[in-house]
Amino acid sequence: TQLLEQSPQFLSIQEGENLTVYCNSSSVFSSLQWYRQEPGEGPVLLVTVVTGGEVKKLKRLTFQFGDARKDSSLHITAAQTGDTGLYLCAADNQGGKLIFGQGTELSVKP
Amino acid sequence: GAVVSQHPSRVICKSGTSVKIECRSLDFQATTMFWYRQFPKQSLMLMATSNEGSKATYEQGVEKDKFLINHASLTLSTLTVTSAHPEDSSFYICSATIPPEETQYFGPGTRLLVL
Repeated sequence: TQLLEQSPQFLSIQEGENLTVYCNSSSVFSSLQWYRQEPGEGPVLLVTVVTGGEVKKLKRLTFQFGDARKDSSLHITAAQTGDTGLYLCAADNQGGKLIFGQGTELSVKP
Repeated sequence: GAVVSQHPSRVICKSGTSVKIECRSLDFQATTMFWYRQFPKQSLMLMATSNEGSKATYEQGVEKDKFLINHASLTLSTLTVTSAHPEDSSFYICSATIPPEETQYFGPGTRLLVL
């Protein structure tokens, strides 16, 4: 069974701080996605990384796919209260199915 | 971007009743839709894969007779929770893919509370 281990599960920081969320697996994936989910809503796709070693930036968010395509990280610079939410990594399991990491609950306090 | 809707957004029902949740792709045709369940403070767990015109494929541990899935058209899949019990209370989310890409577009979710 392919698993995605996400860490940390909970993160509470002050506005302006930096943070990194990790998504690790022993399996190799063809692609990996990062989602953000707010309470009572569905996940919203932030980015898809495909190539080993790939780095993608989305404003203050930097996503990296490991060289071996087994792990990924999400780094947020100068966090804002609006970044608060549940961050999920996901990867294609088989037949288009997604497996999700456990999620990281981020709380950014003013 | 692709838009997926769900109806209702919230539903409260009595134990023993059945509840139907709709998932629609608004601006595209989706041959495949997925149904997930999410408990509070937890991640999404895939329940089943819904294919238009054929039977759904259920994940291990998901009772197909309890969670009836019908993918009647290329824009609509329904999930019916039969004889709901309090332990079925959860957040149910659907997603749809646009062939040939594999990106899943998620609906806004349906909050089910069984009393």
